[in-house]
Amino acid sequence: SQQGEEDPQALSIQEGENATMNCSYKTSINNLQWYRQNSGRGLVHLILIRSNEREKHSGRLRVTLDTSKKSSSLLITASRAADTASYFCATAAGNKLTFGGGTRVLVKP
Amino acid sequence: DAGITQSPRHKVTETGTPVTLRCHQTENHRYMYWYRQDPGHGLRLIHYSYGVKDTDKGEVSDGYSVSRSKTEDFLLTLESATSSQTSVYFCAISAPSGDTGELFFGEGSRLTVL
Repeated sequence: SQQGEEDPQALSIQEGENATMNCSYKTSINNLQWYRQNSGRGLVHLILIRSNEREKHSGRLRVTLDTSKKSSSLLITASRAADTASYFCATAAGNKLTFGGGTRVLVKP
Repeated sequence: DAGITQSPRHKVTETGTPVTLRCHQTENHRYMYWYRQDPGHGLRLIHYSYGVKDTDKGEVSDGYSVSRSKTEDFLLTLESATSSQTSVYFCAISAPSGDTGELFFGEGSRLTVL
């Protein structure tokens, strides 16, 4: 079973546009993390937001967390072709990270 | 890049044969994880280790065993491979401080069981 579920499953945008993807989860968490995976590669950590935080920024990334709704969103602003990848949310509880199914993002030049 | 090496990177084997995947780290991190990635399922945790000789099961541990005799090495063994174990396997490491922190992933091992 997956703790996190991303929405949408796939997203296609033009370069320069913003990309937003959402993650919903079911149980209490310590933190929530977002990762990026380029085709055929390992996952790369993007950002971590703790359960007592509501919003966090890192460069062109903005993450929000609403623990009352058990949901998070990842916003990528001013997207670039290099942002084409799959994005995964992961929820941390205890010593484990549980990943969602991911959102495939295609940024067209 | 975090010093994580997975081997082999690609393997084709037959049903019923044993397979061992190796994860080697140079970061001296305490926690190590094995995940499998399949279309439609994202990444699912197989086993993890929180120290030498200390391991625990994840959500899809049936058919897999692990061993960690040294901090730097975490082995995943399929005692008798089945076609359902065809997948991409990722090793990850973490040095959490209080809660589960950032994971660093290897490049993956693609296993095909015929």
